[in-house]
Amino acid sequence: DAGVIQSPRHEVTEMGQEVTLRCKPISGHNSLFWYRQTMMRGLELLIYFNNNVPIDDSGMPEDRFSAKMPNASFSTLKIQPSEPRDSAVYFCASAALAGSWGTQYFGPGTRLTVL
Amino acid sequence: AQSVAQPEDQVNVAEGNPLTVKCTYSVSGNPYLFWYVQYPNRGLQFLLKYITGDNLVKGSYGFEAEFNKSQTSFHLKKPSALVSDSALYFCAVREPSGAGSYQLTFGKGTKLSVIP
Repeated sequence: DAGVIQSPRHEVTEMGQEVTLRCKPISGHNSLFWYRQTMMRGLELLIYFNNNVPIDDSGMPEDRFSAKMPNASFSTLKIQPSEPRDSAVYFCASAALAGSWGTQYFGPGTRLTVL
Repeated sequence: AQSVAQPEDQVNVAEGNPLTVKCTYSVSGNPYLFWYVQYPNRGLQFLLKYITGDNLVKGSYGFEAEFNKSQTSFHLKKPSALVSDSALYFCAVREPSGAGSYQLTFGKGTKLSVIP
């Protein structure tokens, strides 16, 4: 299996621009998580989906952030408008709802820099 | 609410010596416990988990972890450290629930440096 795939791997944008991060979970996994990692705040859970349905978005920092999962093999995290404080590494992880006890498998991350 | 504490921001150990990375947890009920490793500029990589059964769990790359219910701890160990083990290590906990919530609560991470 190819593992969790994220794109782009690096994104540099200017303040005010829209940013879209993409994630393809492991085939057969039906739970998907978006995290943000910074030196200051460590690893933060932003939102997660079960069977394409958002379950908990309490970690989404502001209305500028939105996430969708239109089908089992694709999810997006959008920031509009972006701000310099959004600069971070964003990870997507997926898990199977049965059989793996919730073990999450992470993608390589997207390093976002907002100038 | 569940929580995880990794009391050491950094652990230094000489190559060939045993290493321990500490983790304590707080959860209602029996915990599911996990260790992940993150190498520079990479995603988190699953190392091992404890669900039930034997308190000593063996995982990837020669790592093992010991579950201690009375001390609510789940320390990561390796008998002989390698320079290549230098990385950031995360402990995580999940409450078993029937509602399908697979959210993990992660600790802040411990940076392990193995000195040649």
